[in-house]
Amino acid sequence: GQNIDQPTEMTATEGAIVQINCTYQTSGFNGLFWYQQHAGEAPTFLSYNVLDGLEEKGRFSSFLSRSKGYSYLLLKELQMKDSASYLCAVRAMTTDSWGKFQFGAGTQVVVTP
Amino acid sequence: DGGITQSPKYLFRKEGQNVTLSCEQNLNHDAMYWYRQDPGQGLRLIYYSQIVNDFQKGDIAEGYSVSREKKESFPLTVTSAQKNPTAFYLCASSPNPGQTSTDTQYFGPGTRLTVL
Repeated sequence: GQNIDQPTEMTATEGAIVQINCTYQTSGFNGLFWYQQHAGEAPTFLSYNVLDGLEEKGRFSSFLSRSKGYSYLLLKELQMKDSASYLCAVRAMTTDSWGKFQFGAGTQVVVTP
Repeated sequence: DGGITQSPKYLFRKEGQNVTLSCEQNLNHDAMYWYRQDPGQGLRLIYYSQIVNDFQKGDIAEGYSVSREKKESFPLTVTSAQKNPTAFYLCASSPNPGQTSTDTQYFGPGTRLTVL
């Protein structure tokens, strides 16, 4: 099975940096994904890590350590529009759950002026 | 334009009625998924399908049924056996792992179902 943990809520000021941690336990790990979801809308893809290390995409970066079952999403130069829920998801590749995604409960980021 | 469509956006039904939610994609993806999201919570997997004419139960399949007769379509039926069906339902699709380098899921806009 898979267990995914991330903080419920984080608050930061505009222009600051916020780091959202995600820990997971899984069998057959085949990638970790981060999504952004604004209230009432569908999630949108932010980043993908399958190998250890840092992936950078503009203001957003994501890090993965497979041996520690740990990832983080780093949001830099926060803007008001970054206020949203951030979902961590793990994809499994086992015989009985091939290609299955498991999501964390999401971290609500609140950006204040 | 390529993408995933879900209809309708809002749906109201009386308790005890079955209801079918539509999901169509023209991204040529093999895999499709249905999730349920309750207020303040993450996504929970209902059913998923890796290929046409095949599907697997997710974590909360009880009270739901699906079919996958065409690659483009993966409708979800919420049956009267589902005890608490009011929720936000999201459909997603993805290439099967290994098909492309960007193996993420793409989500439809969602259907908000309210059972009265």
